Amino acid sequence: KQEVTQIPAALSVPEGENLVLNCSFTDSAIYNLQWFRQDPGKGLTSLLLIQSSQREQTSGRLNASLDKSSGRSTLYIAASQPGDSATYLCAVSLDSNYQLIWGAGTKLIIKP
Amino acid sequence: DAMVIQNPRYQVTQFGKPVTLSCSQTLNHNVMYWYQQKSSQAPKLLFHYYDKDFNNEADTPDNFQSRRPNTSFCFLDIRSPGLGDAAMYLCATSTLNSNQPQHFGDGTRLSIL
Repeated sequence: KQEVTQIPAALSVPEGENLVLNCSFTDSAIYNLQWFRQDPGKGLTSLLLIQSSQREQTSGRLNASLDKSSGRSTLYIAASQPGDSATYLCAVSLDSNYQLIWGAGTKLIIKP
Repeated sequence: DAMVIQNPRYQVTQFGKPVTLSCSQTLNHNVMYWYQQKSSQAPKLLFHYYDKDFNNEADTPDNFQSRRPNTSFCFLDIRSPGLGDAAMYLCATSTLNSNQPQHFGDGTRLSIL
């Protein structure tokens, strides 16, 4: 059974620092991996989607990597800003159906 | 600009009193989902529709029902809400391409008195 884990559950860093969020999954046979952002009391916003054949994806200050063999993905945020404060969730898709297996998220606080 | 719209944003109901949450989309996506999310937890998939083809998760309680009268609208009915059903309910949509992300609404926060 696929399980997705995000450690730590919470992270606080000063503004301007580069940081890495971690996601691990137990079954390497994934279809894709996605990173989402969730602001308090809101829905989820898709940040990056990495297909199983890809190693990384980039969008602005965000870079997500995927290592299927080790069951790990990282989300790198460069030059963090207070506006980056949110909960970041990763999710894996096992096949071409539509279901996602979710991590519980990392709550990120960027201190001004 | 809102593409997945959930109403209401906040819903308060009494223990045992039926409640309906609604979701509409302007994206013309084939697939629609309902998730339940409790505080500091991952979203839990309740149902999804592929067009009108309804797919119920095995562990979704019978107390939860859903309707999708057309492509644009989807409803979540909770027949007899209990205290444990207090949560954020998220609606999402996607295309048939599994390598495209899901698009979420802002959710409805349900409180049970």
